[in-house]
Amino acid sequence: GAGVSQSPRYKVAKRGQDVALRCDPISGHVSLFWYQQALGQGPEFLTYFQNEAQLDKSGLPSDRFFAERPEGSVSTLKIQRTQQEDSAVYLCASSFASGPIQETQYFGPGTRLLVL
Amino acid sequence: AQSVSQHNHHVILSEAASLELGCNYSYGGTVNLFWYVQYPGQHLQLLLKYFSGDPLVKGIKGFEAEFIKSKFSFNLRKPSVQWSDTAEYFCAVNVMNRDDKIIFGKGTRLHILP
Repeated sequence: GAGVSQSPRYKVAKRGQDVALRCDPISGHVSLFWYQQALGQGPEFLTYFQNEAQLDKSGLPSDRFFAERPEGSVSTLKIQRTQQEDSAVYLCASSFASGPIQETQYFGPGTRLLVL
Repeated sequence: AQSVSQHNHHVILSEAASLELGCNYSYGGTVNLFWYVQYPGQHLQLLLKYFSGDPLVKGIKGFEAEFIKSKFSFNLRKPSVQWSDTAEYFCAVNVMNRDDKIIFGKGTRLHILP
């Protein structure tokens, strides 16, 4: 595709509800990243995939957060039993090469999650 | 604690003014440095990056940044801003050979008065 796309763009969830956020990276991009951006803060790293392999998930804030990329393309970030502190914009980024730093990361528009 | 600090949270300038946004990091070792920009209603995008070589890096739209290793700084500059530069600017750091994370600062919201 022309760029990284994310869906839904906005999600309102009741506390305790499970949510799934989708990321479609740029076609052919090997690396995929998830970030969480709270209001007034910069993006914070959550997890990183190289193809279908999740190489780093150290930024996931709790075991309620789970990410997958089963076929090395589309990725889903799932949050179970959402809490109010999960309210944030969730950003997805992809890059062409397997080395995550030497290549530019292209960001999607984000999913704005509000947990009531 | 290791961090990326952006000195100004909100900057207001008139068109044609000169701009300098401060960024300091506290990580040791060799670093990769970035400035990202988010224009209103748009995606986060890369403005410029430093990996090695000339510490003065030129990016898109007339922006440049200078890496000063001794000061752990990577300040963003533009000699003459335009109204279209109104955006939020994020400094970011990766520590080479440690992991793949990019650590972002909290951002500086720049507002240019026409």
